[in-house]
Amino acid sequence: DAKTTQPNSMESNEEEPVHLPCNHSTISGTDYIHWYRQLPSQGPEYVIHGLTSNVNNRMASLAIAEDRKSSTLILHRATLRDAAVYYCILREWGSQGNLIFGKGTKLSVKP
Amino acid sequence: SQTIHQWPATLVQPVGSPLSLECTVEGTSNPNLYWYRQAAGRGLQLLFYSVGIGQISSEVPQNLSASRPQDRQFILSSKKLLLSDSGFYLCAWSVERGPYNEQFFGPGTRLTVL
Repeated sequence: DAKTTQPNSMESNEEEPVHLPCNHSTISGTDYIHWYRQLPSQGPEYVIHGLTSNVNNRMASLAIAEDRKSSTLILHRATLRDAAVYYCILREWGSQGNLIFGKGTKLSVKP
Repeated sequence: SQTIHQWPATLVQPVGSPLSLECTVEGTSNPNLYWYRQAAGRGLQLLFYSVGIGQISSEVPQNLSASRPQDRQFILSSKKLLLSDSGFYLCAWSVERGPYNEQFFGPGTRLTVL
């Protein structure tokens, strides 16, 4: 699976939008982009995934660059409960399903 | 609905002692099962995964082993713990649905080896 690069940490104010970037310049045509997040002392939880088109769900939006070499996870209104480590992961279609977690971005939300 | 259980939630063990962590999944059949470890201040590391009963793939060679005696039961073991085995152990499950394969994680076991 291709490698991703994320900033180590980011800060946000409560109720403001947050844009979490991820670079994946070596992405292949069959790699899906997944985002997970891990709240303190908990296991990771799925946030969103996409292939080429932008995606929206109740938790977040995923904006994928046209060349697919980068993507951005968008939290439209950050809350204190969104403070977590956010992982951007590439997974090849048809693989065994193993997720390779990097160090992620630690998001802090200030009231 | 599906649920995943892990126990114990916390564990303190002396160096050289054995280990057995258990994970069970309810509400699904023939899941893929995974063991991850997260050392303090580090990312998640995949240790083992299983696509069926008795089928175990190891990602990282070490003094840990895994077994899957039943479809929805996954066990992580060690004969002799090392200090470096301390960490947060997470079990996860998934069901293959084509290219999309969300993993669901359990609450984790925090292991401290003294």
